[in-house]
Amino acid sequence: GEDVEQSLFLSVREGDSSVINCTYTDSSSTYLYWYKQEPGAGLQLLTYIFSNMDMKQDQRLTVLLNKKDKHLSLRIADTQTGDSAIYFCAEARAAGNKLTFGGGTRVLVKP
Amino acid sequence: EPEVTQTPSHQVTQMGQEVILRCVPISNHLYFYWYRQILGQKVEFLVSFYNNEISEKSEIFDDQFSVERPDGSNFTLKIRSTKLEDSAMYFCASSGGTGYSPLHFGNGTRLTVT
Repeated sequence: GEDVEQSLFLSVREGDSSVINCTYTDSSSTYLYWYKQEPGAGLQLLTYIFSNMDMKQDQRLTVLLNKKDKHLSLRIADTQTGDSAIYFCAEARAAGNKLTFGGGTRVLVKP
Repeated sequence: EPEVTQTPSHQVTQMGQEVILRCVPISNHLYFYWYRQILGQKVEFLVSFYNNEISEKSEIFDDQFSVERPDGSNFTLKIRSTKLEDSAMYFCASSGGTGYSPLHFGNGTRLTVT
């Protein structure tokens, strides 16, 4: 079945760039997402990318997709303390299909 | 910006009791979902709903679970006879409509079964 893996933890200094990595196994993945979860809150959609793209930029966020290696990354430029949260990557085969989530990467931003 | 709303934010129930978790999806969305997150574990898919019927369900979604869209706005998850292991955060999500729309999640209902 589908599997999505992420590293557990990332510590970064305020103002530096953060890079969160994700690997997935399903070669039929068509949509790949990044969600942010702050303590006690829901899942906030940050960005998504279609599998026919290799990069997407949205303000401080850059998503890179290496479809051959099934590797997805999220780069946050100029990381702020408000970026401290758990970041989940997720994939889906088609619109309307279920998402398969990674275990989440806890990002801690130090002043 | 439109959002998915869930009520209640926290529900405490005794083992064996029935609970209904409620969601109001984004109004022009066509696909509706329930996910759950047991503390410290991954977010897991439970069920998807489209065109007034279940389109996909996971192994977790057994006979004690059911979903309903009783009117044009609400989407509910019922757990018939709760077990201790049903304690989790339950997230509702919606997507779809005109053109592609990614899944938007609500803030979740924390269910505690005692």
